[in-house]
Amino acid sequence: LAKTTQPISMDSYEGQEVNITCSHNNIATNDYITWYQQFPSQGPRFIIQGYKTKVTNEVASLFIPADRKSSTLSLPRVSLSDTAVYYCLVGDIGGRRALTFGSGTRLQVQP
Amino acid sequence: DAGVTQSPTHLIKTRGQQVTLRCSPKSGHDTVSWYQQALGQGPQFIFQYYEEEERQRGNFPDRFSGHQFPNYSSELNVNALLLGDSALYLCASSLYQVNEAFFGQGTRLTVV
Repeated sequence: LAKTTQPISMDSYEGQEVNITCSHNNIATNDYITWYQQFPSQGPRFIIQGYKTKVTNEVASLFIPADRKSSTLSLPRVSLSDTAVYYCLVGDIGGRRALTFGSGTRLQVQP
Repeated sequence: DAGVTQSPTHLIKTRGQQVTLRCSPKSGHDTVSWYQQALGQGPQFIFQYYEEEERQRGNFPDRFSGHQFPNYSSELNVNALLLGDSALYLCASSLYQVNEAFFGQGTRLTVV
């Protein structure tokens, strides 16, 4: 499994754009990149997933360069409710795969 | 449509006891995975059930066992509880051939 490296914590203010970068140098050809969000005492929630280039949904954007050795989760105009831990996961697609979580990035949004 | 539901939400057990946690998957999902999350850490994969069989297992001792029922619900059993088993236990459901996993709120287990 490809190992991921992401910042331990980040701070931001309401209304700002937040970019969280994840490094995954050993990503395999059939691996997808998935981001989860977790609030305290709740289970992780799927945010976005991509294979290459750019993916956008109603919550976030995911940027993946051509070499796929890193990816950036972009949260536009964050609010206090975006304060959470964000996990970057890399692995083969399929509901049968075991998800491998690292320690995640703790995002603190200030007013 | 109810999402993934877990019971109980909180539980306190004494060292050496046994515990059973329960999970009902999201409607239409056939695969259930269990995770253990210690305070301040990411979830760690325990095992996964599909078609009532354990399909994958993480690095957890045999004290951790599980079961999946014909209606796809699942149980996690932990025997001979240790203080280190105190954690948030998460259940995730998915479709076997589809990537996205949905997590429940978890069961907070405290071993004293």
